[in-house]
Amino acid sequence: GAVVSQHPSRVICKSGTSVKIECRSLDFQATTMFWYRQFPKQSLMLMATSNEGSKATYEQGVEKDKFLINHASLTLSTLTVTSAHPEDSSFYICSARDTNEGVNEQYFGPGTRLTVT
Amino acid sequence: GQNIDQPTEMTATEGAIVQINCTYQTSGFNGLFWYQQHAGEAPTFLSYNVLDGLEEKGRFSSFLSRSKGYSYLLLKELQMKDSASYLCAVMDSNYQLIWGAGTKLIIKP
Repeated sequence: GAVVSQHPSRVICKSGTSVKIECRSLDFQATTMFWYRQFPKQSLMLMATSNEGSKATYEQGVEKDKFLINHASLTLSTLTVTSAHPEDSSFYICSARDTNEGVNEQYFGPGTRLTVT
Repeated sequence: GQNIDQPTEMTATEGAIVQINCTYQTSGFNGLFWYQQHAGEAPTFLSYNVLDGLEEKGRFSSFLSRSKGYSYLLLKELQMKDSASYLCAVMDSNYQLIWGAGTKLIIKP
């Protein structure tokens, strides 16, 4: 099956610093990647849809200047949390849709647990 | 608005069968997904239904009725490792996934 990797898996940063999370599709091309956030005991919340070569589409209530998304290639999307604060501490998960697959399945990365101190 | 409903929590016994229901109201329909998520991990794909009927895959089966806006995930011969959250998600007309809040399944010996 298709594999999506995320790096780092865990990160602890100080309040006010920025953190970059990478999402890679390892064995397929992904025109579209998705970034989710999940707080403890809650469901996935879509933050933005990332399209290769164009600007990301952000969901309502998600600050695009705070959560910078870049999808520069068909296999890599990055999420940068700028000026992180403790309330940004969460589990961030990316997923990718295989451009060549007929089924609309999304393949998930393993997630990145961000802790802001 | 768009809405996905599933029970918050269910408890079942090892070796038994459990059915997790999901009802949905979405703008358009391009398929329904079930994912399994263990605590602290990302979701893993279980099944995809786009036509009415039952899809069987080993111990897990998924059913869809589009006219009723209803699906269920059936887990047979439950094992302790099946303790997890089960997420129902519907792909709407814009090919966006609309997620349910998940059902936490607790398996008891």
